[in-house]
Amino acid sequence: GNSVTQMEGPVTLSEEAFLTINCTYTATGYPSLFWYVQYPGEGLQLLLKATKADDKGSNKGFEATYRKETTSFHLEKGSVQVSDSAVYFCALSDAGGGTSYGKLTFGQGTILTVHP
Amino acid sequence: NAGVMQNPRHLVRRRGQEARLRCSPMKGHSHVYWYRQLPEEGLKFMVYLQKENIIDESGMPKERFSAEFPKEGPSILRIQQVVRGDSAAYFCASQTGRNTEAFFGQGTRLTVV
Repeated sequence: GNSVTQMEGPVTLSEEAFLTINCTYTATGYPSLFWYVQYPGEGLQLLLKATKADDKGSNKGFEATYRKETTSFHLEKGSVQVSDSAVYFCALSDAGGGTSYGKLTFGQGTILTVHP
Repeated sequence: NAGVMQNPRHLVRRRGQEARLRCSPMKGHSHVYWYRQLPEEGLKFMVYLQKENIIDESGMPKERFSAEFPKEGPSILRIQQVVRGDSAAYFCASQTGRNTEAFFGQGTRLTVV
C-alpha cells in the first residue's frame, strides 16, 4: 500500500534560517505529491503540489521537487518567518486508477516553531 | 464562496453516547472525504462519498461508524456508542472530482469523557 514518511520533529528555528523537512514515499503507480500546512486550531491548507516527476511545486517562498529516483518530496524555504510556525504534512494521492479513488495518504506531520 | 463547513467545531460526549459530525462541502463539490487525526499523528483516511453513494469505506471501522451524503444536506459521520479511543479531530475535505484539489474544513474535535 501507499505510505509517506516525514522527518521526525519538532523543528525549531530562528527567523531567517533555512528550512528543510524531509519526505519520502512509497506508492504504486505515479502519485501526485502535496505539502499541506495546518495552523493551530485550523484545518489543512494546500501549500504546494507536484503531479509528475521532476516537477517543482512552489508557494509563499516554499518549494519542493518531485524526485522519482529517490521517491522524495522534501520541503524547503530559504528564510523562515515567525508566521511560518505550523504543522506541515506531506501527502500523496494516487488518483491514476485502481481503488485508491484519489484519497490522500499523509505523513505524520512535522511541527515547525520559528523564534524571532 | 464559503469554504468547507464543519460543525460542531468541538463536541464532548460521554462514553456510550452517539456523536454526529456534519460536513457541508463547497458549492459545486460532490465528492467528500472524511479523515481522522489522532493526537500526535497524521490524518488517516476513513471514507469517500459521492452524492448518495459510499465509494470507499476501507478506512472506517466496521462497527459503530457510519457515513452518509444525502442528495440534499450535509455529509454526516456518525459514531455510535463512543469510546475514549474515538477522541480525535475529524476533518472532511471536498473536491469537484477525484483528481482535483482537496479543500479541508476546520475539523470537529471530539472528546469522549
